[in-house]
Parts: sequence; C-alpha cells; structure tokens
Amino acid sequence: AQSVTQPDIHITVSEGASLELRCNYSYGATPYLFWYVQSPGQGLQLLLKYFSGDTLVQGIKGFEAEFKRSQSSFNLRKPSVHWSDAAEYFCAVGAQGGSEKLVFGKGTKLTVNP
Amino acid sequence: NAGVTQTPKFRVLKTGQSMTLLCAQDMNHEYMYWYRQDPGMGLRLIHYSVGEGTTAKGEVPDGYNVSRLKKQNFLLGLESAAPSQTSVYFCASRGLPGNTIYFGEGSWLTVV
Repeated sequence: AQSVTQPDIHITVSEGASLELRCNYSYGATPYLFWYVQSPGQGLQLLLKYFSGDTLVQGIKGFEAEFKRSQSSFNLRKPSVHWSDAAEYFCAVGAQGGSEKLVFGKGTKLTVNP
Repeated sequence: NAGVTQTPKFRVLKTGQSMTLLCAQDMNHEYMYWYRQDPGMGLRLIHYSVGEGTTAKGEVPDGYNVSRLKKQNFLLGLESAAPSQTSVYFCASRGLPGNTIYFGEGSWLTVV
C-alpha cells in the first residue's frame, strides 16, 4: 500500500524568499504524484501532477516539483513566495495500474511573513 | 460547469442521529471518493468506488456506509453519529486511472 510523508508540519518564510516543501512517498511501482493547496475554509486545488515523462513538473501559480525516484521524493518549489501563497499544502500519491486509492500526506502549513 | 457538488455544506447533529451526505459529479467519472479531514491528520480515505454499484473500504471506514446506485452520485451515511465523526468531509471524483482528482467544496459536520 502506498503512503506519503510530509516531514514539515509548519514552515514560515518571508515574502520574496524561495520555498521548498518536502514530500516522500512509499510505493513499490511508479506512482502518480500530486500537490494540492488548501486555503482556510476552502476545498483543495490541484497545483501540479506527475504521471510519467519529464521529472520536473510545472504547475499553476509559479510552482514546480521534481520527481526523484531514487529518493522517493516529490518536493514542491517556488523561487519567490507571495503573501497569497499562505495556505496548507498536501502531497498525494496514487497507484498506477493497481488500486485507485489516492493517499494524502498530513500537510504542511505555510506562513508568509511580510 | 458544476464539477463535484456536496450537500449539505454545514450540519449539526446530535449523538446517535443519522444523516446522509450526497456527492454528485457531472463529469461522467468512474471513480469517486469520500475523505475526512481533521487537524494534523490530513485527508483520510473513508470509502471509495471504482464504478456504479461498487464500493470499497478506505483507511477509516468504521461508522460509515456508502452507496453508488447511480454513476453520478456517491452517498455517505452515518447511521449513529458520534462526536468523533465531527470533521470536514470531502468528496472527490476522477475519470480514467491517473487522471486528476476533482474535489468538492467540503461538508462541515459537527456532532454534539
């Protein structure tokens, strides 16, 4: 069964600084990988996804993520954070060719200081 | 373009009462999911369905039942609500394997 670990519960960065949110997954085959963002009181919005091919994936709002099979990681990055990026971020993994379950990490809350 | 719609959005229940959450999607998706979200726990899968007439248990199925009588609807039932079921519930759907999952806006349930 697949699982996801987001090691950082809470991260604080200054506006304009770079950002990296970590995600490690456990799955025996090639996974589907996703990053979602959730603002307070809102639903989840897809930032980006990886299915196959290029391991560097571009998403919305200037975010990107890199799939590293050797490290079982799918870290989310942004070169310059904006105050509006303050939210909670969730990494998720799905199984290719097997169960259709999508398993989420526990999330990383991002605070942006002015 | 409705996408995934959940009803009701807010509900307060007394312990022991029953209720049903309705999820409807208009994208002809095969797969549908019910998650619950609790602080510090992320989203945990309750039940899911891989097609009309099918259901399967997720990580935290106890205390919940589901039905998928029509392809577009996925119902989540609480037969005897408990305070531990106070949570935000999200429904989601997706098409072919690997396609993006679309989430509803969430249903806030409080059991007192």
